[in-house]
Amino acid sequence: QTVVTQEPSFSVSPGGTVTLTCGLSSGSVSSSLYFSWYQQTPGQAPRTLIYSTNTRSSGVPDRFSGSIFGKKAALTITGAQTEDEADYYCVVYMGGGIWVFGGGTKLTVL
Amino acid sequence: EVQLVQSGAEVKKPGESLKISCKVSGYTFTIYWIGWVRQMPGKGLEWMGIIYPGDSQIRYSPSFQGQVTISADRSITTAYLQWNSLKASDTAMYYCARQGVATAFDYWGQGTLVTVSS
Repeated sequence: QTVVTQEPSFSVSPGGTVTLTCGLSSGSVSSSLYFSWYQQTPGQAPRTLIYSTNTRSSGVPDRFSGSIFGKKAALTITGAQTEDEADYYCVVYMGGGIWVFGGGTKLTVL
Repeated sequence: EVQLVQSGAEVKKPGESLKISCKVSGYTFTIYWIGWVRQMPGKGLEWMGIIYPGDSQIRYSPSFQGQVTISADRSITTAYLQWNSLKASDTAMYYCARQGVATAFDYWGQGTLVTVSS
């Protein structure tokens, strides 16, 4: 079974830029795969940020962007705010009705 | 307004059965897949499986196949997640989510906390 890999943790200063990545145990990401990104703050349900690798969900600030970064999918936060401190999950649709979640990245803003 | 409202927290003993629900409103229930996601205490999100209420097609993660049963009742626009015999390791928060645009999960329930303890 494919494993989706994310950095366990990351830190960014307020106003700074950070790129979180999402890789596949099978190797390079493929443009035929569907990547989405979710934000979860403590005690809350996940919130959808990005779908189709690079499309922002409704209401998501434009400081969040998705892309392919080398051999991985990426979520970039440009001008991080303190309220962006959260866990971020990458999810890959593998086809055939199967989704795989990454382990999540805990982002600290300080 | 799209809403997914989950049933309340449950406290059960090992070996007991349980069925939790996800009541949806604000859209046509039968044309979107509904997925279930587990989050064990202090851990990440795990995809469990998904159902298409329109024809009751179901897909399970290999990790959860045979461990849980996913179902839906179109008449009351509700999806379910069921266990026949709970284990302590089933203690977790469970979320339902609608699979919307481009395979992403666009709307989420508030979560149901299941605690299994003797």
